[in-house]
Amino acid sequence: SQQGEEDPQALSIQEGENATMNCSYKTSINNLQWYRQNSGRGLVHLILIRSNEREKHSGRLRVTLDTSKKSSSLLITASRAADTASYFCATTGANSKLTFGKGITLSVRP
Amino acid sequence: EAGVAQSPRYKIIEKRQSVAFWCNPISGHATLYWYQQILGQGPKLLIQFQNNGVVDDSQLPKDRFSAERLKGVDSTLKIQPAKLEDSAVYLCASSLDEDEKLFFGSGTQLSVL
Repeated sequence: SQQGEEDPQALSIQEGENATMNCSYKTSINNLQWYRQNSGRGLVHLILIRSNEREKHSGRLRVTLDTSKKSSSLLITASRAADTASYFCATTGANSKLTFGKGITLSVRP
Repeated sequence: EAGVAQSPRYKIIEKRQSVAFWCNPISGHATLYWYQQILGQGPKLLIQFQNNGVVDDSQLPKDRFSAERLKGVDSTLKIQPAKLEDSAVYLCASSLDEDEKLFFGSGTQLSVL
Protein backbone atom coordinates (compact mmCIF):
# COMPACT_ATOMS: atom_id res chain seq x y z
CA SER A 1 0.00 0.00 0.00
CA GLN A 2 1.20 3.52 -0.75
CA GLN A 3 1.14 5.91 2.17
CA GLY A 4 1.90 9.24 0.55
CA GLU A 5 -0.17 10.82 -2.17
CA GLU A 6 1.38 13.58 -4.19
CA ASP A 7 -0.50 16.46 -5.75
CA PRO A 8 -0.65 17.44 -8.55
CA GLN A 9 0.14 14.35 -10.62
CA ALA A 10 1.79 16.49 -13.28
CA LEU A 11 3.14 20.02 -13.31
CA SER A 12 4.46 22.08 -16.21
CA ILE A 13 6.17 25.42 -15.59
CA GLN A 14 8.48 27.89 -17.30
CA GLU A 15 12.17 28.03 -16.42
CA GLY A 16 12.71 30.50 -13.60
CA GLU A 17 9.32 29.94 -12.02
CA ASN A 18 8.81 28.22 -8.68
CA ALA A 19 7.38 24.71 -8.47
CA THR A 20 5.29 23.60 -5.51
CA MET A 21 4.44 19.95 -4.95
CA ASN A 22 2.31 18.58 -2.15
CA CYS A 23 2.17 15.27 -0.33
CA SER A 24 -0.47 13.96 2.03
CA TYR A 25 -0.25 10.85 4.18
CA LYS A 26 -2.55 8.87 6.42
CA THR A 27 -0.76 7.51 9.48
CA SER A 28 1.78 8.94 11.91
CA ILE A 29 5.35 9.13 10.67
CA ASN A 30 8.93 9.27 11.95
CA ASN A 31 10.13 11.24 8.96
CA LEU A 32 9.19 12.28 5.44
CA GLN A 33 11.58 12.30 2.52
CA TRP A 34 11.52 13.64 -1.02
CA TYR A 35 13.28 11.91 -3.91
CA ARG A 36 13.86 12.78 -7.56
CA GLN A 37 13.98 10.31 -10.43
CA ASN A 38 15.18 11.14 -13.89
CA SER A 39 13.83 8.98 -16.67
CA GLY A 40 15.31 5.50 -16.65
CA ARG A 41 17.52 6.06 -13.62
CA GLY A 42 17.51 5.34 -9.91
CA LEU A 43 16.08 7.67 -7.31
CA VAL A 44 18.13 10.43 -5.74
CA HIS A 45 17.48 11.62 -2.21
CA LEU A 46 16.68 15.33 -1.96
CA ILE A 47 15.76 16.10 1.62
CA LEU A 48 14.58 14.45 4.85
CA ILE A 49 12.41 16.16 7.44
CA ARG A 50 11.71 14.55 10.81
CA SER A 51 8.33 14.57 12.53
CA ASN A 52 9.46 17.16 15.08
CA GLU A 53 10.63 19.58 12.38
CA ARG A 54 8.43 22.05 10.52
CA GLU A 55 10.66 23.39 7.76
CA LYS A 56 13.96 22.58 6.11
CA HIS A 57 16.03 24.15 3.36
CA SER A 58 18.61 22.74 1.02
CA GLY A 59 19.86 25.00 -1.76
CA ARG A 60 16.84 25.85 -3.94
CA LEU A 61 14.65 23.37 -2.07
CA ARG A 62 12.33 24.17 0.79
CA VAL A 63 10.28 21.49 2.52
CA THR A 64 7.55 22.03 5.07
CA LEU A 65 5.82 19.47 7.24
CA ASP A 66 2.47 19.89 8.99
CA THR A 67 1.86 16.80 11.13
CA SER A 68 -1.55 18.06 12.26
CA LYS A 69 -2.72 18.06 8.64
CA LYS A 70 -0.55 15.07 7.70
CA SER A 71 0.89 16.95 4.76
CA SER A 72 4.15 18.20 3.33
CA SER A 73 5.14 20.50 0.52
CA LEU A 74 8.27 20.71 -1.61
CA LEU A 75 9.13 24.06 -3.15
CA ILE A 76 11.75 24.34 -5.87
CA THR A 77 12.66 27.97 -6.45
CA ALA A 78 13.99 29.43 -9.71
CA SER A 79 13.44 26.18 -11.59
CA ARG A 80 15.77 25.01 -14.34
CA ALA A 81 15.26 22.68 -17.29
CA ALA A 82 17.47 20.18 -15.44
CA ASP A 83 14.82 19.97 -12.70
CA THR A 84 12.58 18.09 -15.15
CA ALA A 85 12.00 14.73 -13.46
CA SER A 86 9.56 12.74 -11.35
CA TYR A 87 9.39 13.64 -7.67
CA PHE A 88 8.30 11.24 -4.95
CA CYS A 89 7.48 11.74 -1.32
CA ALA A 90 8.15 8.82 1.00
CA THR A 91 7.23 8.33 4.62
CA THR A 92 8.77 6.25 7.38
CA GLY A 93 6.38 4.99 10.00
CA ALA A 94 6.91 3.39 13.38
CA ASN A 95 7.95 0.15 11.67
CA SER A 96 10.83 1.97 9.88
CA LYS A 97 9.40 0.94 6.54
CA LEU A 98 9.83 3.62 3.83
CA THR A 99 6.71 3.86 1.66
CA PHE A 100 6.60 5.88 -1.56
CA GLY A 101 3.77 7.76 -3.24
CA LYS A 102 2.96 7.55 -6.94
CA GLY A 103 5.00 10.59 -7.85
CA ILE A 104 4.66 13.94 -9.58
CA THR A 105 5.96 14.56 -13.08
CA LEU A 106 7.56 17.99 -13.32
CA SER A 107 8.32 19.52 -16.70
CA VAL A 108 10.32 22.73 -16.82
CA ARG A 109 10.15 24.45 -20.19
CA PRO A 110 13.27 26.35 -21.27
CA GLU B 1 32.44 7.03 -2.30
CA ALA B 2 31.17 4.16 -4.47
CA GLY B 3 27.42 4.01 -4.89
CA VAL B 4 25.02 1.08 -4.81
CA ALA B 5 25.92 -1.37 -7.57
CA GLN B 6 23.30 -3.45 -9.33
CA SER B 7 23.48 -5.98 -12.13
CA PRO B 8 22.37 -6.74 -14.70
CA ARG B 9 21.12 -3.42 -16.05
CA TYR B 10 18.58 -5.04 -18.35
CA LYS B 11 17.09 -8.53 -18.54
CA ILE B 12 14.60 -10.05 -20.97
CA ILE B 13 13.14 -13.46 -20.21
CA GLU B 14 10.11 -15.51 -21.13
CA LYS B 15 7.36 -16.24 -18.65
CA ARG B 16 7.98 -19.22 -16.38
CA GLN B 17 11.74 -18.72 -16.62
CA SER B 18 13.81 -17.74 -13.60
CA VAL B 19 15.94 -14.65 -13.10
CA ALA B 20 18.28 -13.29 -10.44
CA PHE B 21 19.38 -9.78 -9.61
CA TRP B 22 22.44 -8.80 -7.63
CA CYS B 23 23.08 -5.80 -5.39
CA ASN B 24 26.19 -4.52 -3.63
CA PRO B 25 25.29 -1.76 -1.17
CA ILE B 26 27.46 1.10 -0.01
CA SER B 27 30.13 -0.13 2.38
CA GLY B 28 29.03 0.11 6.00
CA HIS B 29 25.33 0.45 5.26
CA ALA B 30 23.37 -1.80 7.59
CA THR B 31 20.00 -1.56 5.88
CA LEU B 32 19.33 -2.91 2.38
CA TYR B 33 16.08 -2.65 0.44
CA TRP B 34 14.63 -4.17 -2.72
CA TYR B 35 11.89 -2.18 -4.41
CA GLN B 36 9.76 -3.01 -7.44
CA GLN B 37 8.76 -0.08 -9.64
CA ILE B 38 6.13 -0.67 -12.31
CA LEU B 39 6.03 1.91 -15.10
CA GLY B 40 4.21 5.05 -14.02
CA GLN B 41 4.06 4.08 -10.34
CA GLY B 42 6.10 4.71 -7.24
CA PRO B 43 8.52 2.11 -5.89
CA LYS B 44 6.95 -0.68 -3.83
CA LEU B 45 9.00 -2.24 -1.05
CA LEU B 46 9.55 -5.96 -1.54
CA ILE B 47 11.96 -6.70 1.28
CA GLN B 48 14.05 -4.84 3.83
CA PHE B 49 17.15 -6.28 5.52
CA GLN B 50 18.86 -5.00 8.64
CA ASN B 51 22.35 -6.50 8.41
CA ASN B 52 21.50 -10.07 7.35
CA GLY B 53 18.12 -10.27 9.05
CA VAL B 54 14.76 -9.59 7.38
CA VAL B 55 12.91 -6.57 8.81
CA ASP B 56 9.94 -6.57 6.44
CA ASP B 57 8.92 -8.85 3.59
CA SER B 58 5.18 -8.41 3.85
CA GLN B 59 4.79 -7.45 0.17
CA LEU B 60 7.16 -10.07 -1.23
CA PRO B 61 5.25 -12.72 -3.27
CA LYS B 62 6.93 -15.58 -1.48
CA ASP B 63 5.56 -18.26 -3.78
CA ARG B 64 7.86 -16.96 -6.54
CA PHE B 65 10.21 -14.34 -5.10
CA SER B 66 13.11 -14.98 -2.74
CA ALA B 67 15.91 -12.80 -1.45
CA GLU B 68 18.95 -13.25 0.69
CA ARG B 69 21.69 -11.09 2.11
CA LEU B 70 24.64 -13.26 2.95
CA LYS B 71 27.08 -11.97 5.58
CA GLY B 72 25.08 -8.75 5.78
CA VAL B 73 26.63 -7.27 2.63
CA ASP B 74 25.64 -8.28 -0.94
CA SER B 75 22.12 -9.35 -1.73
CA THR B 76 20.37 -11.32 -4.45
CA LEU B 77 16.71 -11.24 -5.45
CA LYS B 78 15.33 -14.18 -7.40
CA ILE B 79 12.09 -14.71 -9.28
CA GLN B 80 11.06 -18.26 -10.15
CA PRO B 81 8.93 -18.69 -12.18
CA ALA B 82 8.45 -15.24 -13.69
CA LYS B 83 5.05 -13.93 -14.74
CA LEU B 84 4.18 -11.22 -17.25
CA GLU B 85 3.19 -8.87 -14.41
CA ASP B 86 6.71 -9.05 -12.98
CA SER B 87 7.89 -6.73 -15.77
CA ALA B 88 9.23 -3.75 -13.85
CA VAL B 89 12.38 -2.03 -12.67
CA TYR B 90 13.90 -3.66 -9.61
CA LEU B 91 15.69 -1.14 -7.44
CA CYS B 92 18.16 -1.88 -4.69
CA ALA B 93 18.88 0.74 -2.06
CA SER B 94 20.90 0.97 1.13
CA SER B 95 21.08 3.26 4.12
CA LEU B 96 23.34 3.64 7.13
CA ASP B 97 20.50 2.59 9.35
CA GLU B 98 16.73 2.53 9.50
CA ASP B 99 14.96 5.92 9.34
CA GLU B 100 17.79 7.40 7.32
CA LYS B 101 18.01 8.53 3.70
CA LEU B 102 18.31 5.86 1.03
CA PHE B 103 20.92 5.60 -1.69
CA PHE B 104 19.59 3.85 -4.79
CA GLY B 105 21.29 1.84 -7.48
CA SER B 106 20.44 2.35 -11.15
CA GLY B 107 18.06 -0.59 -11.12
CA THR B 108 17.48 -3.65 -13.27
CA GLN B 109 14.84 -3.32 -15.95
CA LEU B 110 13.09 -6.68 -16.33
CA SER B 111 10.89 -7.53 -19.29
CA VAL B 112 8.93 -10.77 -19.13
CA LEU B 113 7.59 -11.86 -22.54
